Amino acid sequence: QVQLQESGPGLVKPSETLSLTCSVSGGSVSRGSYYWGWIRQPPGKGLEWLGYISYSGSINSNPSLRSRAIMSVDASKNQFSLKLNSVAAADTAVYYCVRIDGYNQYGNFDYWGQGTLVIVSS
Amino acid sequence: QSVLTQPPSASGTPGQRVTISCSGSSSNIGINTVNWYQQLPGTAPKLLIYSNNQRPSGVPDRFSGSKSGTSASLAISGLQSEDEADYYCAAWDESLTGTWVFGGGTKLTVL
Repeated sequence: QVQLQESGPGLVKPSETLSLTCSVSGGSVSRGSYYWGWIRQPPGKGLEWLGYISYSGSINSNPSLRSRAIMSVDASKNQFSLKLNSVAAADTAVYYCVRIDGYNQYGNFDYWGQGTLVIVSS
Repeated sequence: QSVLTQPPSASGTPGQRVTISCSGSSSNIGINTVNWYQQLPGTAPKLLIYSNNQRPSGVPDRFSGSKSGTSASLAISGLQSEDEADYYCAAWDESLTGTWVFGGGTKLTVL
């Protein structure tokens, strides 16, 4: 059974960088048929897709982030990461890491981490 | 403002059949398949339906999905109290570089 677990600071100051890591167990990030992504949910609101990365380094991110997001994969640790720079209060959300089964329009988010709340505040 | 449009709420009594709609456009649902996610209170979302009408292993056949044109629907038959949750539709949108888009979510209450 694949399991994903987010980790990172729960509090980030405005204008700084939010850094999260997702540890994968029960499966390998280097398996080529999957993509690894991030989705967030502001408190009391809906879901927003942030982006994904493949083991080979193919990246696609939500244009709404205006290039603030940087994603990476570390196969040696079976992890993938998200850095979101220049954060503001609007970035306060529960951040989920997900496994994506399939490419773009053929994909779905079949496994989710439990989520981690990140608050942006001074 | 979500790209896909869902009713904010729905309700039903135990045993009833409930449907939740998801409306999109020619750049998303009109040309791509729809997935549905169930989010029980205080938990992460879970894949409920993929490729319009396919159920992952372990999802009861009380849940079914359909798509027609630029709209999709999730149907829940034999409603149970444990179905009380938020439901989200999602699809790939071909605008710009391509992005995943979600509906705003529908809160299902079992009366």
